[in-house]
Amino acid sequence: KNEVEQSPQNLTAQEGEFITINCSYSVGISALHWLQQHPGGGIVSLFMLSSGKKKHGRLIATINIQEKHSSLHITASHPRDSAVYICAVRGTGTASKLTFGTGTRLQVTL
Amino acid sequence: KAGVTQTPRYLIKTRGQQVTLSCSPISGHRSVSWYQQTPGQGLQFLFEYFSETQRNKGNFPGRFSGRQFSNSRSEMNVSTLELGDSALYLCASSLGLAGLSFDEQFFGPGTRLTVL
Repeated sequence: KNEVEQSPQNLTAQEGEFITINCSYSVGISALHWLQQHPGGGIVSLFMLSSGKKKHGRLIATINIQEKHSSLHITASHPRDSAVYICAVRGTGTASKLTFGTGTRLQVTL
Repeated sequence: KAGVTQTPRYLIKTRGQQVTLSCSPISGHRSVSWYQQTPGQGLQFLFEYFSETQRNKGNFPGRFSGRQFSNSRSEMNVSTLELGDSALYLCASSLGLAGLSFDEQFFGPGTRLTVL
């Protein structure tokens, strides 16, 4: 079982829909990251969370430390949101490293 | 402020050769982390450098190595290339040590390495 599991693996939505991507992890963490990767490879860090909820524009990220679960929500989705969304967790300790989920491929159509 | 830059962007090598990839972090950032991305394994952590010292290492063979210079620029080297080393290699920089700080990591565009 992977340390970081994402669902769904693929998601197709129509423009304007509300989208939720889920991430579950099995280890203790110091932080959880949500990343966005567009075709061509460039990665953008969307959020870094250690507790609670963060909002940036139409994006909202939440984390429940007790349940070891995080969600990324996109409100009023747009075709430009089409990308792969990757959840990554950082373990605890000074030598902690990022462990990545396999990503959720989102396609938003008109 | 310029972003993270990686050179070269594309590279084709043959099995057995070695390769050196370069990463220039955002000005003022002292931490550089390297990642490998393949279709089969996804994103995997290679190593992190901070103040010219390797601070953390992923589960990769010794053929993968790196270093960081006094200006925080970093290089990674892969010796005796194998077909399975074909991947997108990404570096990311942050202000502080990634494992201790909560500084955001900024990713470069990556170097796509193809091994024939």
